[in-house]
Amino acid sequence: DIQMTQSPSSLSASVGDRVTITCQASQDISNYLNWYQHKPGKAPRLLIYAASSLQSGVPSRFSNSGSGTDFTLTISSLQPEDFATYYCQQSYSTPWTFGQGTKVEIK
Amino acid sequence: QVTLRESGPALVKPTQTLTLTCTFSGFSLSTSGMCVSWIRQPPGKALEWLARIDWDDDKYYSTSLKTRLTISKDTSKNQVVLTMTNMDPVDTATYYCARILGSGSYPYFDYWGQGTLVTVSS
Repeated sequence: DIQMTQSPSSLSASVGDRVTITCQASQDISNYLNWYQHKPGKAPRLLIYAASSLQSGVPSRFSNSGSGTDFTLTISSLQPEDFATYYCQQSYSTPWTFGQGTKVEIK
Repeated sequence: QVTLRESGPALVKPTQTLTLTCTFSGFSLSTSGMCVSWIRQPPGKALEWLARIDWDDDKYYSTSLKTRLTISKDTSKNQVVLTMTNMDPVDTATYYCARILGSGSYPYFDYWGQGTLVTVSS
């Protein structure tokens, strides 16, 4: 199975901060990388698919860079509604796997 | 409008078999390229992918759980069913179903259900 390793596991940031979350795959997954936002009690929300495509309706402050094994989700200016847990997920090969999540908390 | 809704028992006893149903609308699992997955999240832990079923009835399972899982579909009812045998307290989790788009290129989960919490306890 492909292992997805996210870092950090949690971070504290203020509104307006630039936030970066990294995701590393245990093998080359090309651009088969998706990012999700998850808030307690809600369904996860797709943010970015195929490594670089922004899902419809997702603000442009979210972006991803990287391909192969190393990826970085960037939130350019953190907004109050962005406090949540973020997961990367590979769809290169089954079994599909998620990272362990990064919780973004209010500083 | 695409919607998915999970249903099933909130409480199961250890060793029992869990049966969950995902009822969806806004798309058909008989459409080429369409797929549905199950994902779970134990309390305080990460998302875990469980299984996937495709429009052509291909099925894929989590490596660690494949001996316990069965996924099936009823296209006429717009439902996908997941069964998990020999339930254990560590299987306590919120179980989600999600639609998969892009199966022919870069697959991703674009729509999710709200999830259903299953507790395993005697």
